[in-house]
Formats: sequence, C-alpha cells, structure tokens
Amino acid sequence: EAQVTQNPRYLITVTGKKLTVTCSQNMNHEYMSWYRQDPGLGLRQIYYSMNVEVTDKGDVPEGYKVSRKEKRNFPLILESPSPNQTSLYFCASSPGTGIIQYEQYFGPGTRLTVT
Amino acid sequence: SQKIEQNSEALNIQEGKTATLTCNYTNYSPAYLQWYRQDPGRGPVFLLLIRENEKEKRKERLKVTFDTTLKQSLFHITASQPADSATYLCALNNAGNMLTFGGGTRLMVKP
Repeated sequence: EAQVTQNPRYLITVTGKKLTVTCSQNMNHEYMSWYRQDPGLGLRQIYYSMNVEVTDKGDVPEGYKVSRKEKRNFPLILESPSPNQTSLYFCASSPGTGIIQYEQYFGPGTRLTVT
Repeated sequence: SQKIEQNSEALNIQEGKTATLTCNYTNYSPAYLQWYRQDPGRGPVFLLLIRENEKEKRKERLKVTFDTTLKQSLFHITASQPADSATYLCALNNAGNMLTFGGGTRLMVKP
C-alpha cells in the first residue's frame, strides 16, 4: 500500500531533550516536506526537500533540522525542544521535481508535547 | 504582506445542497492552487489541483474555479452529504517550491 509513515505518533518529552521524528514513504517520491499544525495558525511548512541531499527552509524552520540521506526517509530533528514546539506534525511527499504541481500525500501525524 | 484567507467560520448546510467554499489570496502569484480535505486528527487528503491557466476543474461532485484576476478560488461540493463534513484547506505554491496553506473552512452537512 502506498503510504507515508511517521513515528512516533504521540510523544511527550521535556524541554531540551533531543528527539527525532521519522518519516518514510514507499512511493519513490522526490519531494518531501514537514509541516506543523497549530490552532488558529493552520498548516505551516517547516522544511522541504526536493531530492536526496537537497533541503530548504520553509516558513518556520527555527528550532528544527532535517536530513535527506535516502530518497524514502526524511527525519525531523529537534535538537533542544521547547514548549512552543508543542504541535501536531505532518510529513508529506509528492512526486515530480521542479516546482511542485502535484498533490501531496500526508502521513498520519505526530502529536508532540514538550513540557 | 502575503495572505491566504478562508472563511474561519464553519459553513452549515443541509444535505443535498451545494456547498461553496472560498479561498482568497493577496500578494501571491501562484502557478497553481490545490484543495485538501482534513478530518479531525488526521492528515490532509488531496482533492483537486487547478493551474493558473485553467478556469475550472471537476471531479465527480467537486468543482474548483480559479480566478487569477480576483485572486480567488471557489470550491463547490454538489449534492452534499453528511460524510462531506470536514475541514477543507486550500494551498498554493509560494516562492516556487514551497506550499502555503490557508487556515481552512469547516463544513458541516446536516441530514
């Protein structure tokens, strides 16, 4: 089944404790992206990747890191999480290269709470 | 400043009627616009994409229009059903490879 998977689905952590949220897609998509969704602020793009070893900042990259060493995986790293990073996170992938003009396939989401 | 606006108030309609949702944008020049459906606690699901040179796109009971002069897209669901109740998001490409989403409009279809 074609899908985007994220792990963990739920995570409660403490301020400053490094964490990684994994994202994997089995559709051989070039484009992958991370979003966070907050009430009243909607979906905001954190980072995206056009292909292996190619990443770029979205609208809200501060406090996050990403890497794209393999085409199928795009982990999101929070080196020193803070309470304002409490949010619902979505990973997404999309076929094609260049300017995105294809639909995005979203993962099920990771609900992160930082205390 | 750049802005994508969707009606933040919920839209309540009766089953069988046509639902029309609006997406307005300012200070963007998108090459295309997309519409997604999102159910509570789940990831958005792609519905339709319309390019700047297309005025209208249809898929089953869904229709999207795109007016680059008015800077507006309309999303229609005809013969609406309670199962269509969800939040609908519009998204447009920003600075080439980024995708920016509107805040979404919650649709409630009452039987």
